Amino acid sequence: AQSVTQLGSHVSVSEGALVLLRCNYSSSVPPYLFWYVQYPNQGLQLLLKYTSAATLVKGINGFEAEFKKSETSFHLTKPSAHMSDAAEYFCAVTGNYGGSQGNLIFGKGTKLSVKP
Amino acid sequence: GAGVSQSPRYKVAKRGQDVALRCDPISGHVSLFWYQQALGQGPEFLTYFQNEAQLDKSGLPSDRFFAERPEGSVSTLKIQRTQQEDSAVYLCASSLAESSYNEQFFGPGTRLTVL
Repeated sequence: AQSVTQLGSHVSVSEGALVLLRCNYSSSVPPYLFWYVQYPNQGLQLLLKYTSAATLVKGINGFEAEFKKSETSFHLTKPSAHMSDAAEYFCAVTGNYGGSQGNLIFGKGTKLSVKP
Repeated sequence: GAGVSQSPRYKVAKRGQDVALRCDPISGHVSLFWYQQALGQGPEFLTYFQNEAQLDKSGLPSDRFFAERPEGSVSTLKIQRTQQEDSAVYLCASSLAESSYNEQFFGPGTRLTVL
C-alpha cells in the first residue's frame, strides 16, 4: 500500500530564509505526487504535482519540488520565505497509479510558521 | 468562476442525530471525492464517484456513513446516529476527468462537531 511520511509537524523559518518541507513516499510503482497548501478555514490548494515528466517541478508562489526516486523523496522548497507562506502543507500520493480512480493519500501535514 | 462549494460550513450535532453534508462540485467535473480530516491530521479518503456511479466506498468508516450523487453533479454525505468520533472536517473535491494525475479541486469543508 502506498503511504506518505512528512518529517516535522511544525517548521519555523525567518522571513527571507529558505523553506524546506520534507516528504518521503512508499510506493511499489512510480507514483504521482502532489503538494497542497491549506490556509486556515479554507480548502486545500494545489501547489505543484509530479507526473513522471521533469523531476524538478515548479509550482505556484515560488515553490518547487524535486522527485528523487533513489531517496523516495519529494521535498518542497522555496528560496525565500514570505509571511504569506504561513500555512499547513500536505504531501500526497495517488492511491492507484495509472488507474482511473486517483484518490489521494495524504501525509499528516507540516505547519509552516514564518517569523518577521 | 465558481469553485467547489460545501454546505453547511459548520454543523453541530448531538450524539445520535443524523446529519447531511452537501457538496456542489465544479460544473462538468466527472470525478468527486469525499475526505475526512481529523484535527491535526491529513485528509483521509472516504469515497469516490465517477459521474453518478459510486466506484469506491472502501474508506467509509462504518455503515452509518452513506454517500450519493444521483444526477452526477451534487453529492450528499450522510452520517446516521452520529458519534463523537465523527467530529472532523469533511472535505469534498472534484476533478475534471478520472485520471490519477488530474488536479483535485477542494471545497472549504464542513466542520462537524458531535457533542
